[in-house]
Formats: sequence, C-alpha cells, structure tokens
Amino acid sequence: DTGVSQDPRHKITKRGQNVTFRCDPISEHNRLYWYRQTLGQGPEFLTYFQNEAQLEKSRLLSDRFSAERPKGSFSTLEIQRTEQGDSAMYLCATATGASVSGQYFGPGTRLTVT
Amino acid sequence: RKEVEQDPGPFNVPEGATVAFNCTYSNSASQSFFWYRQDCRKEPKLLMSVYSSGNEDGRFTAQLNRASQYISLLIRDSKLSDSATYLCVVNGNDYKLSFGAGTTVTVRA
Repeated sequence: DTGVSQDPRHKITKRGQNVTFRCDPISEHNRLYWYRQTLGQGPEFLTYFQNEAQLEKSRLLSDRFSAERPKGSFSTLEIQRTEQGDSAMYLCATATGASVSGQYFGPGTRLTVT
Repeated sequence: RKEVEQDPGPFNVPEGATVAFNCTYSNSASQSFFWYRQDCRKEPKLLMSVYSSGNEDGRFTAQLNRASQYISLLIRDSKLSDSATYLCVVNGNDYKLSFGAGTTVTVRA
C-alpha cells in the first residue's frame, strides 16, 4: 500500500489517560499535516511539518498536544491527560513541495474519550 | 466568520440529474482551491483542483470566481455513487488547507 497509513484506526481511552497516534506518509511527500474532525464539520488544521521541522501549530493545539516527526519520515501525535472534548477523528495528510498540489489523507484515528 | 462557508444541504437528487452548489471563502489572498469528497466515516479524498479558468473532469465541473470569492461544483448525470459530502477547500500561501463543513449530496434511484 503506497498511501498514507495511520495507526491505530480506533482508540477508546478513559479521561486523563495519554494516547499516541502514528502516521506514515507517502514516501516522497515532505509535508505532513495533522487535522482534527468532529461530526458535521470539516477537518481543522492542528499542525504542519516540512521534513522534520514543525513549522506551524494551530491555537487549537493546547499544551496537552505534542507532535513529532523524527527524521522527516513518520509522525506521532500525543495527547496527554485526555478530555472528553478531545473525542474526534484525527487525520494525517501529506503532500509534496508544490503549493498547488492537494493533500492526501490517511484513514484517520477515531478517538473516543470516556 | 468562518474562512470557508458552504450550504450543508442535503441536496437530494434523482439519478441522472444535475446538481450544483457553491462555497464562499473570506481570504482574498487564497491561492489554491480544491474540492474533496468524503464518504461517511471515511477520510477526505481529493476530487479535483479548481483553476481560475474553470475545469472539468468527466461529469464534474468546477468554477472559481475570484472577484466574488466563490467556488462552485457541478455534477452532471448524477450516479448513486456520487452520494457523499463534498468539502470546499482553500489554500493560502502558507500551505495550510481551510475546509468548509461540507455539502451533503444524496442521489436516489
């Protein structure tokens, strides 16, 4: 499979626990994005990497959220001390350097915080 | 005000019909425009880019009006498989995508 992959696909956790999601990009894509999507809304931008550098973080990304992309390959998104409001689909998308190109999304990780 | 606004629909159309819908965007400096398709509980998938001159891809036609800051999508000869949520997407010069909340289209037999 040469598309974007995400793991796990589903995660149920109790409030206050930490969770970590992984995204593996399309191999030649140097840009990697994390988005969050809730029911009835479009995806909302969380953060963006170009290679290993994290270039931008949304103000939606509280200090409980951290993302990394070591070596410019896969990326992880960690949420500490989860809250019920964190329940959402977390989507990873990747793209090449050309600004006019669209982004290609992984299947997402659906997080439910109980 | 949201960066990208769409009529949520739903647009319920019979097979073979033509359906069209718009979205508006607030950032006049936006540079790239796209339509994505999202099926229920699936990830968004790039449907087509939208160019200033308008462009067509099979039964799908996209138009961009920079002066009025709106984008349109027209689907001709609708198929049952066209039932989905269509996301209007705008890209500024910072590589971030801004998504509308989506327009739901349901094609009935």
